[in-house]
Amino acid sequence: QQQVKQSPQSLIVQKGGISIINCAYENTAFDYFPWYQQFPGKGPALLIAIRPDVSEKKEGRFTISFNKSAKQFSLHIMDSQPGDSATYFCAARPTGFQKLVFGTGTRLLVSP
Amino acid sequence: DAGVTQSPTHLIKTRGQQVTLRCSPKSGHDTVSWYQQALGQGPQFIFQYYEEEERQRGNFPDRFSGHQYPNYSSELNVNALLLGDSALYLCASSKPGQGFHEQFFGPGTRLTVL
Repeated sequence: QQQVKQSPQSLIVQKGGISIINCAYENTAFDYFPWYQQFPGKGPALLIAIRPDVSEKKEGRFTISFNKSAKQFSLHIMDSQPGDSATYFCAARPTGFQKLVFGTGTRLLVSP
Repeated sequence: DAGVTQSPTHLIKTRGQQVTLRCSPKSGHDTVSWYQQALGQGPQFIFQYYEEEERQRGNFPDRFSGHQYPNYSSELNVNALLLGDSALYLCASSKPGQGFHEQFFGPGTRLTVL
């Protein structure tokens, strides 16, 4: 079964701190790993994505770290701001498929 | 540049009814995917349309069907609605061509089945 496990379910971080969200996958070849941000009442918005031939990708305050051997990838949000408060989803594309498999989401709250 | 648009925003139906949801892809995109997002869960892939045909399908029953028009807009139809069909239905579009490309999501249609 194609599955991506995401943790933690919820996260509270102080303003200026680092938010870290983790995802892991098993038994499936995936070749594209995006992270999406979703605000209440809105659709998911693509934040940053990585392919498995790269171990790290940084865009502004957002960094993806990818560990191919451990089948794990994580999102780091540096200098977290109250405006970052949202639900974050990791996802992965199974090789050969035209779909994304999503994690269950992490609700992030950045306290002022 | 308009992003992905969906209509209606909200919809309330009763069990057994049928519903049609609509999606217009982002300008320049020709591929449309539909996802179902239950409350508190991640989106689940329903199917994808490309060149007016269903290209791939997730684990959803035949009650879920779709269509894509020559202008690339798409519809999701759900027949014989069940209470469990209550969810946010998301449309995602991606750019032309074979292979897999980044998917951009619309705001979704919130379907409530009573």
